[in-house]
Amino acid sequence: EDQVTQSPEALRLQEGESSSLNCSYTVSGLRGLFWYRQDPGKGPEFLFTLYSAGEEKEKERLKATLTKKESFLHITAPKPEDSATYLCAVPLSGTYKYIFGTGTRLKVLA
Amino acid sequence: GGITQSPKYLFRKEGQNVTLSCEQNLNHDAMYWYRQDPGQGLRLIYYSQIVNDFQKGDIAEGYSVSREKKESFPLTVTSAQKNPTAFYLCASRRPGARDTEAFFGQGTRLTVV
Repeated sequence: EDQVTQSPEALRLQEGESSSLNCSYTVSGLRGLFWYRQDPGKGPEFLFTLYSAGEEKEKERLKATLTKKESFLHITAPKPEDSATYLCAVPLSGTYKYIFGTGTRLKVLA
Repeated sequence: GGITQSPKYLFRKEGQNVTLSCEQNLNHDAMYWYRQDPGQGLRLIYYSQIVNDFQKGDIAEGYSVSREKKESFPLTVTSAQKNPTAFYLCASRRPGARDTEAFFGQGTRLTVV
């Protein structure tokens, strides 16, 4: 069964304390993996797309990596403004539909 | 340019139909409606790849849509939807040789009163 699982559900970090968020997937023929950031009461905002194993993308304090089974979103020296829910999504095999994970709620304390 | 959802907050009485608006000026062919509940991922209600065509998603019961114009994809929450209180998100996606990212609106929070 096609599935996307994110862990941990919630993460509290001190400012400057680096960590990683995980997105594991079981879909055949991966056509891409997408990371989004969602602030409370708002729509998700696109961060990265990764298309093949070994690919990496960076943006400020965020770095996304992809293997054949999972993706990591590494957060280096986070700041309080990085607090948000981070979602990952993958296209469902043979369709135009996308499966979203339940997200990781990140809280960065000053 | 972007996606505009309205209203931001909506209150529905029991037995009432309500319509959520979604408009985009990104010239995207594909549009989607998702429902988001606390602790759950985004769940697909309906999607449309082209004007005058749409498909049911995973939780279409109690909802209806139309796609008469490329820019617009309104969602009607009917009285048949027994638990409509949720955060509703509209998204669009541009066509391409590879799967592309979705652009989301700011959401509509629907509450049954």
